[in-house]
Amino acid sequence: EPEVTQTPSHQVTQMGQEVILRCVPISNHLYFYWYRQILGQKVEFLVSFYNNEISEKSEIFDDQFSVERPDGSNFTLKIRSTKLEDSAMYFCASSAESNTEAFFGQGTRLTVV
Amino acid sequence: GNSVTQMEGPVTLSEEAFLTINCTYTATGYPSLFWYVQYPGEGLQLLLKATKADDKGSNKGFEATYRKETTSFHLEKGSVQVSDSAVYFCALSLNTGTASKLTFGTGTRLQVTL
Repeated sequence: EPEVTQTPSHQVTQMGQEVILRCVPISNHLYFYWYRQILGQKVEFLVSFYNNEISEKSEIFDDQFSVERPDGSNFTLKIRSTKLEDSAMYFCASSAESNTEAFFGQGTRLTVV
Repeated sequence: GNSVTQMEGPVTLSEEAFLTINCTYTATGYPSLFWYVQYPGEGLQLLLKATKADDKGSNKGFEATYRKETTSFHLEKGSVQVSDSAVYFCALSLNTGTASKLTFGTGTRLQVTL
């Protein structure tokens, strides 16, 4: 069964460092998303991406964040200068159409120290 | 704006008990409604969905009915198992013509004991 895969599963980084979280969406999907879940809190939308551009982004997705689809398979989230409050589980998701089921990856747990 | 409100957890039940997790929503327009489940150490999995009023989503013994009049999408299961222990998230999305983001509730942790 096709699935969304994320790497790494866990990343520890020092405050101020750049991190890149990687995702391989399901191959025939066209819509891509990043969400995050701070420990014990709700899952929050960060950004959606379609046709090689951002469709929508939340208030959380400030200038420190960027997304890219560098080739035909990967979808990355970059945090330019990490802060302690960026520590969270980051989920990538993809969907075939705009209003169909989103499939989620296993998540990357980011710990900023 | 759009929002989802879920009952507070944790919910602790004995095996074979009846489960209800309440979910209500606020949305501009006509959302699709979802229940996602997160098992320990895993990502989010779609449990069931409903795309219009009066639709009933069902999967693995779980059911939820899209009630427009009460803006609710309560999750039910007649007889829970220990393996159902997980965090359950209610969510909505609106089809805006571009990518449709999900708005999640806070999640309800279910603990089922023998």
